[in-house]
Amino acid sequence: AQSVTQPDIHITVSEGASLELRCNYSYGATPYLFWYVQSPGQGLQLLLKYFSGDTLVQGIKGFEAEFKRSQSSFNLRKPSVHWSDAAEYFCAVGSRGYQKVTFGIGTKLQVIP
Amino acid sequence: DADVTQTPRNRITKTGKRIMLECSQTKGHDRMYWYRQDPGLGLRLIYYSFDVKDINKGEISDGYSVSRQAQAKFSLSLESAIPNQTALYFCATSDPRQGAYNEQFFGPGTRLTVL
Repeated sequence: AQSVTQPDIHITVSEGASLELRCNYSYGATPYLFWYVQSPGQGLQLLLKYFSGDTLVQGIKGFEAEFKRSQSSFNLRKPSVHWSDAAEYFCAVGSRGYQKVTFGIGTKLQVIP
Repeated sequence: DADVTQTPRNRITKTGKRIMLECSQTKGHDRMYWYRQDPGLGLRLIYYSFDVKDINKGEISDGYSVSRQAQAKFSLSLESAIPNQTALYFCATSDPRQGAYNEQFFGPGTRLTVL
């Protein structure tokens, strides 16, 4: 069965600092990987996705993520965090053709001045 | 206009009441999902539907039922609400024919409180 681990439940960073949110997955084959963001009171919005090809994926809002098969990881990064990035971030893994997606428990990001 | 809409956005009800949450989409997607979100537990799949005649239980379907009235509509019912069903509920859609395998598009959520 596929699974996702987000080891950091809550992260606090200063505005302008770099950010890395960790995600590890478990899946037997090559996974489909996603990062979603949920702003307060909002639904989930897709930040970026990986299916195949280049392991460094660019997303919206200046985010990127790197797929590392050897580490079963798909960490999300941003070089300089803005106050508007404060939100909850979910990593997810999907299986080819089956359309079911398993979400991690989320990492809540707090941005301080 | 939003592609995936949910009604109501907020609902407070009492234990034992029957509740229906509705989801409508204009994306033309065949596949629809219901999730609940609880703090510290992330999103958990309740039910999913791959087309109007195909409905499947997710990981936490007990206490819930669904109805797929049309391609665009997928309703979630709580036959007899209980307090531990207090949560944020999300509807989502997806369509592999768009070339975005498994990407799901979410509605804004329904916050349900059961007293």
